[in-house]
Amino acid sequence: SQQGEEDPQALSIQEGENATMNCSYKTSINNLQWYRQNSGRGLVHLILIRSNEREKHSGRLRVTLDTSKKSSSLLITASRAADTASYFCATDGTASKLTFGTGTRLQVTL
Amino acid sequence: GAVVSQHPSRVICKSGTSVKIECRSLDFQATTMFWYRQFPKQSLMLMATSNEGSKATYEQGVEKDKFLINHASLTLSTLTVTSAHPEDSSFYICSALVQSWGDTEAFFGQGTRLTVV
Repeated sequence: SQQGEEDPQALSIQEGENATMNCSYKTSINNLQWYRQNSGRGLVHLILIRSNEREKHSGRLRVTLDTSKKSSSLLITASRAADTASYFCATDGTASKLTFGTGTRLQVTL
Repeated sequence: GAVVSQHPSRVICKSGTSVKIECRSLDFQATTMFWYRQFPKQSLMLMATSNEGSKATYEQGVEKDKFLINHASLTLSTLTVTSAHPEDSSFYICSALVQSWGDTEAFFGQGTRLTVV
């Protein structure tokens, strides 16, 4: 399966700043999901946005979706050191298979 | 949310031996589970779809005789890496799907770090 691209590949910010990650994908989707992965651990589901939605919020997370550009962004506001992790977008495909983006490694420093 | 338990979290084995990794859905039934492989600092690559009571569906390029998948019950899928070699060293993650309010959400196990020496 083809993966989407995420940028930046790595992002380093200071605590309190906002972090924005972008994801582009290639095929039509039903929904797009964002996941977080701490080093050496499994993935944790953050948020799902449907193809007919343009923006969604969950706590300090804000996700946008532009289906015409086949892109999505994840904004983490007021970042904390505990937000340090890798973030992946994933799109659904045939037979409910998820196709993951290349990921963004976020480093939040004190 | 739903809980998927994966065991072991870490395993070191000798080249040529086989290793079994278990993936359990603890509080729900999963007719379908997915197995992924992840290399350092890379994304997840789907290896196969595990179907309860039937044969697994493998992605292109994944050797089905090397990566044996068994999904004998609605709460357990196993991945056996047979005749492991150092190049099989990787992080393996399973997931199971839960239908909720018309959306399908994937829940992931904690992952298994396999090192073949």
